[in-house]
Amino acid sequence: DAKTTQPNSMESNEEEPVHLPCNHSTISGTDYIHWYRQLPSQGPEYVIHGLTSNVNNRMASLAIAEDRKSSTLILHRATLRDAAVYYCILRPDYKLSFGAGTTVTVRA
Amino acid sequence: EAGVAQSPRYKIIEKRQSVAFWCNPISGHATLYWYQQILGQGPKLLIQFQNNGVVDDSQLPKDRFSAERLKGVDSTLKIQPAKLEDSAVYLCASSLGGGGSTDTQYFGPGTRLTVL
Repeated sequence: DAKTTQPNSMESNEEEPVHLPCNHSTISGTDYIHWYRQLPSQGPEYVIHGLTSNVNNRMASLAIAEDRKSSTLILHRATLRDAAVYYCILRPDYKLSFGAGTTVTVRA
Repeated sequence: EAGVAQSPRYKIIEKRQSVAFWCNPISGHATLYWYQQILGQGPKLLIQFQNNGVVDDSQLPKDRFSAERLKGVDSTLKIQPAKLEDSAVYLCASSLGGGGSTDTQYFGPGTRLTVL
């Protein structure tokens, strides 16, 4: 499986944007970039995914570098409820291969 | 829409005992997954079903773990006998389609297993 690299942790203030980086230099042309997050004591939940173009949904935005070797998940206004572990996953097929993710802490 | 249901939420057993977990996926979802999440790590896929057939069980320790999905709906994951290293959260997920690269997986709350 192609590997992703994420920072172990990030801190943010409430109502400020959060930019979560993900490096995936060995990405192949058919790999989708997926983001899931896991709130404390819950199962993971889908956030967003993309292939080549930037994507927006009600939860977040996904900015994908032109060479696709990196991407950034953007939470536009962090709330306390956004405190979670965020996983960046390359997905060529049905498998979701989770790494350790980035633990996001939001300060009130 | 109801989410993925799992029970029990917590289970404590002695090593060498048996345990079973139950999962009810979202109605109409063809694909069902079981994951194991050890503390501090991301979830790891144990087995994937499409309807009532196994698609991938390559990471399932088959000497002690078994899973079934009767009638293509509910599923049960069993551990017999349990070892200390089986202490983890067991997550069930389901997805609507055939489990392709854009098929969103919806996760249940998990069952936290402690083996003493």
